[in-house]
Amino acid sequence: GDSVTQMEGPVTLSEEAFLTINCTYTATGYPSLFWYVQYPGEGLQLLLKATKADDKGSNKGFEATYRKETTSFHLEKGSVQVSDSAVYFCALNFQGAQKLVFGQGTRLTINP
Amino acid sequence: EAGVTQFPSHSVIEKGQTVTLRCDPISGHDNLYWYRRVMGKEIKFLLHFVKESKQDESGMPNNRFLAERTGGTYSTLKVQPAELEDSGVYFCASSPDPNGELFFGEGSRLTVL
Repeated sequence: GDSVTQMEGPVTLSEEAFLTINCTYTATGYPSLFWYVQYPGEGLQLLLKATKADDKGSNKGFEATYRKETTSFHLEKGSVQVSDSAVYFCALNFQGAQKLVFGQGTRLTINP
Repeated sequence: EAGVTQFPSHSVIEKGQTVTLRCDPISGHDNLYWYRRVMGKEIKFLLHFVKESKQDESGMPNNRFLAERTGGTYSTLKVQPAELEDSGVYFCASSPDPNGELFFGEGSRLTVL
């Protein structure tokens, strides 16, 4: 079945460091890909998405590119801030089906 | 505008007891979803309501779980009797249409002792 695999956490970085959180997927067909974020005490929020190969989603300085050849959707940010500390979830779904398939989440902590 | 709200935020019960979780979607959102994250693993889909009807309940783990959405507004998820493996965070989400963005609540943490 369809699945999403994220890099194991937790991840701890210093402020202004470069961030990469790896995400790969297994799916039949061509899904849409998402990154969700859960800040402390809040619900899951959509961070960015891409709906087809080579699309780049971006938001709040974060970027991820839909790579069909490597079935990946890695999350990157050039300079992280303390306020980026959160749990990040990679997910996929198919057009017309809102049933999201999530990865296991990666907890990110940014130290000042 | 209020977001998706869930109650309680945390519930601690003993094995064999019953717990009912509640979700109030964003007003006007016909689509309501339940998801669950167990033991820090991936978040898994449980079911999807369109108004008061169950559109897809393929993710419900077993018959100890009962979800309702009477009147097509708020939804409840009852676990009876609860088992240790039911511990986790239960997320609710709503959306105005089947292809729209999902808006999630903060989740209800369930601990079964």
